[in-house]
Amino acid sequence: AQLQQSGPGLVKPSQTLSLTCVISGDSVSSNGAFWNWIRQSPSRGLEWLGRTYYRSRWYNDYAPSMRDRLTVKADISKNLFSLHLNSVTPEDTAVYYCARELHMATTDAFDLWGQGTTVIVSS
Amino acid sequence: DIQMTQTPSTLSASVGDRVTITCRASQTISNWLAWYQQKPGKAPELLIFRASTLESGVPSRFRGSGSGTDFTLTISNLQPDDFATYYCQQYISFSPFTFGPGTRLEIK
Repeated sequence: AQLQQSGPGLVKPSQTLSLTCVISGDSVSSNGAFWNWIRQSPSRGLEWLGRTYYRSRWYNDYAPSMRDRLTVKADISKNLFSLHLNSVTPEDTAVYYCARELHMATTDAFDLWGQGTTVIVSS
Repeated sequence: DIQMTQTPSTLSASVGDRVTITCRASQTISNWLAWYQQKPGKAPELLIFRASTLESGVPSRFRGSGSGTDFTLTISNLQPDDFATYYCQQYISFSPFTFGPGTRLEIK
C-alpha cells in the first residue's frame, strides 16, 4: 500500500489550505482503517490534526486545537482523503503528512505514511 | 492532552554500541505506545507498536519495553542506518494523539 500526497506549497494568510492523499493498495472506505493528517514543525514537533474513517457511515475526529478550522473528507470515487484548513496563519507553516492508522494483531498505530508536503504560509 | 517526554534529546554513540531512549507519559497509557524512526527529509516510519511488538521488517536489534507511564527503546549493535531521530507516540487517546519531542541519535 502507498499514500501519495499533493497540494500547494505556498498559501497566503487567511486562505484555506487544501491537501489530498491518494491511497493505493487499500480503500478509503476500509472497515478497519483510519485516515489521518499529521504535521511537523520545529516549534510544535509532530502534531496530530485529525482523521476520517468509515464504519457503516463516515466519522471524523479532530484535535481540539483544530476543531474550529479543520475538515477532513473522503472521496470514495477517487480513493483519497483530503485536509482543508481554513484561516491559516504563519503558525500553520509545517510539513504535512497523511497516514494510515490500523489496529490489528500484526500492526498498529500509524503504519503507513505519505511522503510529506511542505507548506509555507506567507503573503 | 497526554504529554509525552523523551530523554535524552540527543544521544551520541558509535557503530556497535547499545543505546537506550526513554519515553514518559503524563498519565497511564497501558501499552498503547509506538516508536517511530525518522530520517532527514523523510516521513516517520513505524518501528514498534503496543510498546514492545516489532513492526514487520524491523531488525531484532530494536527492542521496546514498558507499560503504564514509562517506556524504553533499546537499540543493540548500532548500525550506520540507525542514526536518525526517534519519536514515541501514545495512542490510547485520540483527543489528541500525541508524540514525544524526539531523540536525535548521532554518530560519535
